[in-house]
This record gives sequence, C-alpha cells and structure tokens, in this order.
Amino acid sequence: AQSVTQLDSQVPVFEEAPVELRCNYSSSVSVYLFWYVQYPNQGLQLLLKYLSGSTLVKGINGFEAEFNKSQTSFHLRKPSVHISDTAEYFCAVTLNTGGFKTIFGAGTRLFVKA
Amino acid sequence: ETGVTQTPRHLVMGMTNKKSLKCEQHLGHNAMYWYKQSAKKPLELMFVYNFKEQTENNSVPSRFSPECPNSSHLFLHLHTLQPEDSALYLCASSQDYSPEETQYFGPGTRLLVL
Repeated sequence: AQSVTQLDSQVPVFEEAPVELRCNYSSSVSVYLFWYVQYPNQGLQLLLKYLSGSTLVKGINGFEAEFNKSQTSFHLRKPSVHISDTAEYFCAVTLNTGGFKTIFGAGTRLFVKA
Repeated sequence: ETGVTQTPRHLVMGMTNKKSLKCEQHLGHNAMYWYKQSAKKPLELMFVYNFKEQTENNSVPSRFSPECPNSSHLFLHLHTLQPEDSALYLCASSQDYSPEETQYFGPGTRLLVL
C-alpha cells in the first residue's frame, strides 16, 4: 500500500539554526513529490516539487529538498530559519497510476524560537 | 479578489441543519478539489472536478454533496452531518487535472458540527 510518513510531528528549533524535516514514502509506481506549508488560519502553499531531473530541488523562502529514490525519501531543509517559518509543513506524493492519487503526510509543525 | 477564496470561513451547524460551503477560484484553472483536514490526520481528498465533471469521489458519505456549476465555482452541500465531520474543509484548484500540477489552496472553512 502507498503511504507517506513524516517522521516528526513537531520540530522546535532556534532562529538562524538549520532544520531538516523528514519525509519517507512507500510506492510501487512512479511518483511526484511535493512539500507544502500551511501558516495559521491559511490554506496550503506550495514550497517546492520534484517531477524529474535533478534530485536537488530549490523552492521558495530558501527551502530545498532532495529526492533519494533508493531510500524513498524527500527531506526538506533550510540552512537558517526565521521566526516567520513557524508553520505546519506537509509532504505529499502523487502516484502516477494512469489516473493519479495524491497522498499527504500527517504534517510536521516547525516551531522557531527566538 | 485573487487566488482561491472560500466562504464562510467559520461555520457552526447542528446535525439536522443544511448548509453549503462555497469556493471560487480566480486563476482560470480547470480542475477543482475538496479536501478534509481533521486534527492529527493527513489531508483527505474528497472530490475532484475537471472541466465541471466529477472525476473522483473517494468514498465520501452521501451527506456531503458537491456541485460544480462552472470551472470557477465549487460548492459542498452539507446535510445531516455528524460531530466527527467537524474539520477544516479546504478547496484547491490546479491548471489541469494532472499529477505534476501544483494545487492552489483556499484558506478553508472551519466547520463545527454540534
């Protein structure tokens, strides 16, 4: 069965520190990978996506993610976080099955402390 | 208005009430989606419309009834809901119904069923 696992439900970090939010997926078919961010009282906003090509993907707000096919992972990283990065982050996988199906992870709450 | 808008932003209803959620996208997209976001659970896709035609219904109970009169508007009609239906309901749109497309989300309607 296909699934998306975000290994950490909450990640507290100090401002200007680096952060990595982990995402692993399970799928028997080809996938497209996405990271979305949800700020309080708002909908989800795309940070970045991997469709094909270079496995290192750069997104908005200084975030990047690396697709690792052998480890079926798509971890999100930022070298130096800001208070404004405090939000919920969702990893999503779209399975290319002819039709398609998007599965979201349960989310990781990033809390940046001063 | 830009992007994806949803009304109302908050809704409290009794189990015998009938209400409707409205979503409007100003992006010229052809596909629209309804998602349910419950506390501590991954985002769940409910319905997909492509060019006003329903293409996905993920085993959603019949007490939820979607309507898509045109590519810009999407409704979710609610009747005889249960307390477990309390959640944030998110609408999204994408240019086309395609696995690599980015979905653009509205801010959601927070629903409380008493």
